[in-house]
Amino acid sequence: EPEVTQTPSHQVTQMGQEVILRCVPISNHLYFYWYRQILGQKVEFLVSFYNNEISEKSEIFDDQFSVERPDGSNFTLKIRSTKLEDSAMYFCASKGLRGPNTGELFFGEGSRLTVL
Amino acid sequence: SQQGEEDPQALSIQEGENATMNCSYKTSINNLQWYRQNSGRGLVHLILIRSNEREKHSGRLRVTLDTSKKSSSLLITASRAADTASYFCATAKGAQKLVFGQGTRLTINP
Repeated sequence: EPEVTQTPSHQVTQMGQEVILRCVPISNHLYFYWYRQILGQKVEFLVSFYNNEISEKSEIFDDQFSVERPDGSNFTLKIRSTKLEDSAMYFCASKGLRGPNTGELFFGEGSRLTVL
Repeated sequence: SQQGEEDPQALSIQEGENATMNCSYKTSINNLQWYRQNSGRGLVHLILIRSNEREKHSGRLRVTLDTSKKSSSLLITASRAADTASYFCATAKGAQKLVFGQGTRLTINP
């Protein structure tokens, strides 16, 4: 069964460092998302991406964040200068256009980011 | 905000009992979805109900939607220990993002 894969599963970084989280969405999907979940809290929307551009972003997704789909398969989230409060689980998700549950998001297993 | 909010925040029941979780939201929606999350894992889609549907079944899951009250419920019948997880409702308006609620932590005691 097709799945969304994310790497790394866990990354520890120092405050101020740049981090890139990688995702390989399901191959025929067209919508891509990043969400984050601070430990024990709700899943928060960060950004959606369609047709090679950001279609929507939340107020969390400030200038420190960027997304890219560099090669038609990978979908990356970059945090330029990490802060302590960026520590969270980051989930990538993708969505297709067809099927009985159009609208369903397929999530990866997440990348846990720890900022020290 | 269109956020869904679940109730209760935590629910603990005995194996074999039914579990009911509720979700309320604020704005008009295209559909409402329920997801499950095992501890430390990704979210898994359970069921989607469209705004023109009132009830939907999938195996031991039953979802209802009342758009006049802007609420939904998820019923898990004959619960099993493996159903222990967090359950989130999520609402969609338009073609883009899903907005998730706070979730209900469900514990099934053997």
